[in-house]
Formats: sequence, C-alpha cells, structure tokens
Amino acid sequence: AQTVTQSQPEMSVQEAETVTLSCTYDTSESDYYLFWYKQPPSRQMILVIRQEAYKQQNATENRFSVNFQKAAKSFSLKISDSQLGDAAMYFCAYRSRGSQGNLIFGKGTKLSVKP
Amino acid sequence: DTGVSQDPRHKITKRGQNVTFRCDPISEHNRLYWYRQTLGQGPEFLTYFQNEAQLEKSRLLSDRFSAERPKGSFSTLEIQRTEQGDSAMYLCASSLGGTYYEQYFGPGTRLTVT
Repeated sequence: AQTVTQSQPEMSVQEAETVTLSCTYDTSESDYYLFWYKQPPSRQMILVIRQEAYKQQNATENRFSVNFQKAAKSFSLKISDSQLGDAAMYFCAYRSRGSQGNLIFGKGTKLSVKP
Repeated sequence: DTGVSQDPRHKITKRGQNVTFRCDPISEHNRLYWYRQTLGQGPEFLTYFQNEAQLEKSRLLSDRFSAERPKGSFSTLEIQRTEQGDSAMYLCASSLGGTYYEQYFGPGTRLTVT
C-alpha cells in the first residue's frame, strides 16, 4: 500500500521569504501523480500544484514550485515570496494512475507566515 | 460554477443517533468522492462514485456507513448509530472522469458526536 509522510507538523516563514515543505512517499508503482493541496482555516481545500511521475521536469505554478526526486521518492514544495494569504495547512497527496482516482494524503504541515 | 457544496456545515448529534450529509458536486463532474478528516490528520478516502455507481469502498467504511448517488447527481452519506469515534470532518470532492483530472473539494461537514 502507498503511504505519504510529511515530517514537519509546523513551519514558519517571514513574509516575502522562501519556505520549503517536505514530503516523502512510498510506492512500488512507476506511474502516478503527486499533489500539494492547501487548506486555509475554515475554508475548503484547493489544489496548489500537480506533478506527473513520468515527467522529469519539476512543476511550477507562479510562486509555487516542486522538487520531485523520483528515485528518492521525495516531493517537496517551495513557496517563494511568501504572502500572508499562504498561511494554511498544506497536504501532500498521491494518486495511482491506475486507480479509480482516490487520493492518499499525508498528515499535513501547518504553515504560518509572519508579517 | 458554484463549486462543490455540502450540507449541513456543522452537525452535533448524540451517540446512537443517525445522521445524513449531502454533497452537491460541480454539475458536469461524473466522479464523486467522500473523505473523512480527523483532527491532526490528512483526509482519508471513504468511497467513490462514477455517475450513480459506487465503485470503491474503503475498509474505513463500516456497515454503519452508507452512501448513495441517485441519478448520478448529488450524493448522501448516512451514518447509523453514531459513535464518538465518528466525530470528524466529512469532505466531498468531485472531478471529471479519468485520474488526470483535478478533484474539487467542498467545504466539508463537521460532525460532533456527544
């Protein structure tokens, strides 16, 4: 069975600085998707960024980028120029390409942004 | 596009009572997922529908849980004889067909069993 591990329960960053959130996963599959979701306080979860395992190039979405290391089964999220609105729980998630689509989540990292 | 909606947003019930939650997906989405999120944890998959067919159920979904999606539109999740361990946030998500497509999440229903 696949597992996702986020080893940082909480992180803090100064506004305008850069922060990196860590995620490792365990799978025997070669084809899958990885995601970072953001869950603001009392608000619904939204997708931040997605990475297809077969793509070597790291995904980027504006201030958000990932460092995908397939051999190491590592998938970290880098947030550049952090903003107050980035404060939220961040969840790393895995989805098997051959599955019905259900996501396997890590326990999350709570990110605080200091003004 | 009004997004995924869930009703109610909060539910407090006494142990042993039955509760039912509703999820309205994005209208053109044929896939619908239920997840459960307890405090300090990430969401855990419960069950999945493609149109009106329930195609997968997690072992987390005990016999006291039942989900339906009549006519492939909205979905309901019922918990019978609630227990304190059922206290959690119940999240619904929907997507277009195929694992490539993004899942859009609703705001969740927070259940408290006293």
